[in-house]
Amino acid sequence: AQKITQTQPGMFVQEKEAVTLDCTYDTSDQSYGLFWYKQPSSGEMIFLIYQGSYDEQNATEGRYSLNFQKARKSANLVISASQLGDSAMYFCAMRDFTLYNQGGKLIFGQGTELSVKP
Amino acid sequence: NAGVTQTPKFQVLKTGQSMTLQCAQDMNHEYMSWYRQDPGMGLRLIHYSVGAGITDQGEVPNGYNVSRSTTEDFPLRLLSAAPSQTSVYFCASSYTVTSAYEQYFGPGTRLTVT
Repeated sequence: AQKITQTQPGMFVQEKEAVTLDCTYDTSDQSYGLFWYKQPSSGEMIFLIYQGSYDEQNATEGRYSLNFQKARKSANLVISASQLGDSAMYFCAMRDFTLYNQGGKLIFGQGTELSVKP
Repeated sequence: NAGVTQTPKFQVLKTGQSMTLQCAQDMNHEYMSWYRQDPGMGLRLIHYSVGAGITDQGEVPNGYNVSRSTTEDFPLRLLSAAPSQTSVYFCASSYTVTSAYEQYFGPGTRLTVT
């Protein structure tokens, strides 16, 4: 069965420092995508970054990068130069691109709550 | 372009009441889905639709019905509300089921069943 594991329930980081949020996944499929979402206290789900299973380069989006290690089945999110506005819950998610898997549902981890200290 | 909209934002129901959570998107997305978010459990798929007239069950479908009469709308119906359905509900959409990019999420509906 497919599964996402985020082992850090909560993390603290000093403003302007970099932080890595861990995510490991389990799937037997070859074609899948990995996503990171940010959920601030206001509740909305904000897409941050995407990595496809066949992408050879790690994805980057501004201050966000995804450290993709396929053999280890890990997809860690790296936030550089943390800002106070980065304080939020962060979810790692996976989607496989096959119709039989409940329409390609997103499978979420339990989240990591990041607090940025001034 | 409003993206994915959900109404209401907050709702309180008594046990046994029924209601419909509305979801609409204006991006001509084929794929729409409903998730619920409970504390400590991440998001779980309730129902999904791969196009108008086609719906199917997700991971936690019991107590919920859906229909998809148009591409734009995907309402979620609670048949007889129970306290276990207290949760935050998110509607999401993407261009197709195999879209290699993100699903767009609505702002969520916070439902409390007393």
